[in-house]
Amino acid sequence: GQSLEQPSEVTAVEGAIVQINCTYQTSGFYGLSWYQQHDGGAPTFLSYNALDGLEETGRFSSFLSRSDSYGYLLLQELQMKDSASYFCAVGGSTLGRLYFGRGTQLTVWP
Amino acid sequence: DARVTQTPRHKVTEMGQEVTMRCQPILGHNTVFWYRQTMMQGLELLAYFRNRAPLDDSGMPKDRFSAEMPDATLATLKIQPSEPRDSAVYFCASGPGGGLSYEQYFGPGTRLTVT
Repeated sequence: GQSLEQPSEVTAVEGAIVQINCTYQTSGFYGLSWYQQHDGGAPTFLSYNALDGLEETGRFSSFLSRSDSYGYLLLQELQMKDSASYFCAVGGSTLGRLYFGRGTQLTVWP
Repeated sequence: DARVTQTPRHKVTEMGQEVTMRCQPILGHNTVFWYRQTMMQGLELLAYFRNRAPLDDSGMPKDRFSAEMPDATLATLKIQPSEPRDSAVYFCASGPGGGLSYEQYFGPGTRLTVT
C-alpha cells in the first residue's frame, strides 16, 4: 500500500520562508509531486521530483531524498496569496495514478 | 487555454435520487480520474481510465456508483441512489499519461449536497 505523512497546518508571515515536509511509504516509487489548492478551488500541479535533489521553480522549490523516503516543498518570500492547502503525492508510473497525502493548510499572516 | 470542464458545478438533491456528473477532459489527454474530497477523508481516488478503459474503480462503492467514458471527450460519474454521506466535492482530472503522468489537471469540481 501507500501512505504519506505531512503536517496538517503551518503558519508563517509574509516574506518568510516555510518548508512543508512529506514522508512516504510506497511500493514501486516513481516520484513525488506537489499540488496547491486554494479554498473553494481545485488542486493545481506545482512540481515533481523523480530524482534526488532540489528542483526550483521561481519562489517554490521541491526536494527529494529517495533513500530517506522524504521530500519537502520550500516556499520563499511568502505572499498572502500563498495561503492554501499543499498536497504531496506519490506516483508517476505510466499507469498515471497518484496517491495524495492529507494536505497541509498554510496560512500566511500579514 | 486547455481546461478540464465539469458539470454541474453545484448539485443539491434528495436522498435516493440519481446524480450524474459529467467531465470533459483536456483534448489529447489519455488518462481520466474521478476524485472525491471531504474534510474527513481528504482526496480519495474513486476511479480512473486510460485510453477510455477503466483501470481501477476499487475506490468506488460498487453498489451505487458507476463511472464510464462513452467517448474520449466525456467521462461520467453516476450515483444511484444517492445518500447524505455522498455529500462532497467531486473532481475530475485528466493527464497526458506516459512520462508526464505525474501531472494531472483538475476540473473545478462538482459540489454535491444530498439531503
